[in-house]
Amino acid sequence: KQEVTQIPAALSVPEGENLVLNCSFTDSAIYNLQWFRQDPGKGLTSLLLIQSSQREQTSGRLNASLDKSSGRSTLYIAASQPGDSATYLCAIKKKGGSEKLVFGKGTKLTVNP
Amino acid sequence: NAGVMQNPRHLVRRRGQEARLRCSPMKGHSHVYWYRQLPEEGLKFMVYLQKENIIDESGMPKERFSAEFPKEGPSILRIQQVVRGDSAAYFCASSAIGETEAFFGQGTRLTVV
Repeated sequence: KQEVTQIPAALSVPEGENLVLNCSFTDSAIYNLQWFRQDPGKGLTSLLLIQSSQREQTSGRLNASLDKSSGRSTLYIAASQPGDSATYLCAIKKKGGSEKLVFGKGTKLTVNP
Repeated sequence: NAGVMQNPRHLVRRRGQEARLRCSPMKGHSHVYWYRQLPEEGLKFMVYLQKENIIDESGMPKERFSAEFPKEGPSILRIQQVVRGDSAAYFCASSAIGETEAFFGQGTRLTVV
């Protein structure tokens, strides 16, 4: 059974700091890994998608890495801003069968001005 | 491309009533997924559908819940005889097959009173 774990559950940092969010998963048979952002009471916004054959993806101040052999992904946020405050979710798309997404419980990030 | 459209955004039902949640996938996407997010919990997979077919309903409660994705029109998640424990945010996602990105709608927030 695929399980996804995100550490830490919550993180509070001062503005301008660089930070890393962690995601680990138990089964390496994945199509891809996606990082999402969720603001309170809102839907999910896709941030980065890493295919299973890739090692990392970058978008602006965000960089996500994938180490499939060790079952780990990290989301690096550079020069954090108060507008980055949100819950960040990691999700694995499993291979075969349903191709459903399996989510971690998220990391709630607060960036203080 | 209008993205994944869900309606209504908010739905209030009395205990025992029926709730119907609708989801129109992105143009060109033939795969629809429904997820439920209970308060303070992560997103949990409910059901995966393709046009006119249920592929995986392993996350659906055994009773009162059903889903369809007809040849024409949106996907429908139907909850009969709602109870307070059904109060949650219900998200729909769509994708193309395989190593492709999943896109989420804004969700329907169901409140059972």
